[in-house]
Amino acid sequence: DAGVIQSPRHEVTEMGQEVTLRCKPISGHDYLFWYRQTMMRGLELLIYFNNNVPIDDSGMPEDRFSAKMPNASFSTLKIQPSEPRDSAVYFCASGGSRGSKNIQYFGAGTRLSVL
Amino acid sequence: DQQVKQNSPSLSVQEGRISILNCDYTNSMFDYFLWYKKYPAEGPTFLISISSIKDKNEDGRFTVFLNKSAKHLSLHIVPSQPGDSAVYFCAASEVGGNKLVFGAGTILRVKS
Repeated sequence: DAGVIQSPRHEVTEMGQEVTLRCKPISGHDYLFWYRQTMMRGLELLIYFNNNVPIDDSGMPEDRFSAKMPNASFSTLKIQPSEPRDSAVYFCASGGSRGSKNIQYFGAGTRLSVL
Repeated sequence: DQQVKQNSPSLSVQEGRISILNCDYTNSMFDYFLWYKKYPAEGPTFLISISSIKDKNEDGRFTVFLNKSAKHLSLHIVPSQPGDSAVYFCAASEVGGNKLVFGAGTILRVKS
């Protein structure tokens, strides 16, 4: 398997623009997680899905953030409008529910810079 | 409120010696603990884990120790190699839970 695939790897945008981050989880995994990593807050969970259904979005910072998972092989994290404080590395991770013991597999991340 | 704490931001070790990375937690509901390793410009990769029913788990050069009464776990790397230089994250999950709570990470530098 190719692992968790995220795109783009880098995104530079201007304040106020819409940003869409994409994730393809590992085939067969039924959990998908979105994280944000910053120097100040470390690695924080934004939202996670189980079988394409959002289970916990308590980590989503504001209404400007939204996430969808239209099918088992694709998820998006959207920021609209983007602000400079959204600059961070965003990770997607996936995991299975049977015998996985909560092990999550991470993508390489998207480095977002909002100018 | 940091439920998982890695109090040492960085650690420097000589090649061939032991590296010990520490992690403390406050949530008594945590029953599964993991260590992840992260290289620059890459995502975290799973390294080793331990269930609360054990106090030790070993995988090659890596051993994780769990002290439930002290709410403390540690990762031992023996012998340390320059390729082990990375950021190490401790993570934990609750009984029946699927979310991981991560510590802030410890930067390990292994000098040759």
